[in-house]
Amino acid sequence: AQTVTQSQPEMSVQEAETVTLSCTYDTSESDYYLFWYKQPPSRQMILVIRQEAYKQQNATENRFSVNFQKAAKSFSLKISDSQLGDAAMYFCAYTRYGNKLVFGAGTILRVKS
Amino acid sequence: NAGVMQNPRHLVRRRGQEARLRCSPMKGHSHVYWYRQLPEEGLKFMVYLQKENIIDESGMPKERFSAEFPKEGPSILRIQQVVRGDSAAYFCASSPPGFPQVSYEQYFGPGTRLTVT
Repeated sequence: AQTVTQSQPEMSVQEAETVTLSCTYDTSESDYYLFWYKQPPSRQMILVIRQEAYKQQNATENRFSVNFQKAAKSFSLKISDSQLGDAAMYFCAYTRYGNKLVFGAGTILRVKS
Repeated sequence: NAGVMQNPRHLVRRRGQEARLRCSPMKGHSHVYWYRQLPEEGLKFMVYLQKENIIDESGMPKERFSAEFPKEGPSILRIQQVVRGDSAAYFCASSPPGFPQVSYEQYFGPGTRLTVT
């Protein structure tokens, strides 16, 4: 069974600085998708960024980028120029072929002003 | 295009009562997923449905829980004889039809927070 591990229960970053959230996963498949979701206090799940496993190029969305290391089964999220609105719980997730999402336990990100 | 709708947003039930959670997917979406988030935990998959079919219910508790997605109307997650341990946030997500899908992205609703007293 696929598993997703987020080893950092909580992280802090100073406003305007950069922070990296870690995620590792376990799968025997070669084709799959990885996601980072943000959950602010409102509890709404917001997609931050996606990565297709067959693409070697790391995905980027404005201030958010990933470091996808397929062989190491690692998928970290880098947030540049952190803003107060980035404070939230962040979940890493795995899926294959539109089936269920497997989530990690989450990392709480606190942003200090 | 309206997003995924869930109602009610908050539901309070006494132990032993039934809870019905509703989910209307995004327009044009025919795949619905239900997830449960216990306090201080990540989301856990419960069930995956397409119109009138249960595709994967491997995450559903064997008793008291059921789900449906009829041809017409919203998807319903039903919990019979609720217990305190059922208190959680229940999220519905939807995705468009077709294979292979472009991104396999699931669009989430705002969730229903169930409190069992």
